[in-house]
Amino acid sequence: AQSVTQPDIHITVSEGASLELRCNYSYGATPYLFWYVQSPGQGLQLLLKYFSGDTLVQGIKGFEAEFKRSQSSFNLRKPSVHWSDAAEYFCAVGRAGNQFYFGTGTSLTVIP
Amino acid sequence: SQTIHQWPATLVQPVGSPLSLECTVEGTSNPNLYWYRQAAGRGLQLLFYSVGIGQISSEVPQNLSASRPQDRQFILSSKKLLLSDSGFYLCAWNTQRGLGTGELFFGEGSRLTVL
Repeated sequence: AQSVTQPDIHITVSEGASLELRCNYSYGATPYLFWYVQSPGQGLQLLLKYFSGDTLVQGIKGFEAEFKRSQSSFNLRKPSVHWSDAAEYFCAVGRAGNQFYFGTGTSLTVIP
Repeated sequence: SQTIHQWPATLVQPVGSPLSLECTVEGTSNPNLYWYRQAAGRGLQLLFYSVGIGQISSEVPQNLSASRPQDRQFILSSKKLLLSDSGFYLCAWNTQRGLGTGELFFGEGSRLTVL
């Protein structure tokens, strides 16, 4: 069965500190991978995506993610967090048949 | 450019009343359409998806139903709401990409409170 795991339910970082949000997936073939961000009461916004090619992908708002096939991971990183980055972050896997699987999300708190 | 609209944004309904949430997409043809539900503090649960007019796939059995009367219109309905139907409902669309599926684009959501 396919699944997406985000092991950290909640993370707190200081403004200006680096950030890494973890995501592991279980899928038999090379998946399409995504990170989304959700501000309170809002829809989800796409941060970045991986389909193929370079395993380090750049996204919006200074985020990047690295696909590691050997670890079945697609961790999200940002070198310096801003207070406006406080939100819920979701990792997702897309596969053939228009099926998407989302992780349960990681809530990020940024302290000044 | 493509846009997606959901309405109403907020809805408070009594138990046993009907429900209709609407979603429309503009600027694209033959999109795949999705309804997700997000309960408080939880992740996204796929409820329905549609690859074409009249084609609906249900992921979770429940008292909700979906319809796609037009190419870019997706409706979520219920004849009798339950307390457990409360949540944040998100409509999304995407298109086929290669052998897989392209990224989802989400609407702003509809918050339903059942009292």
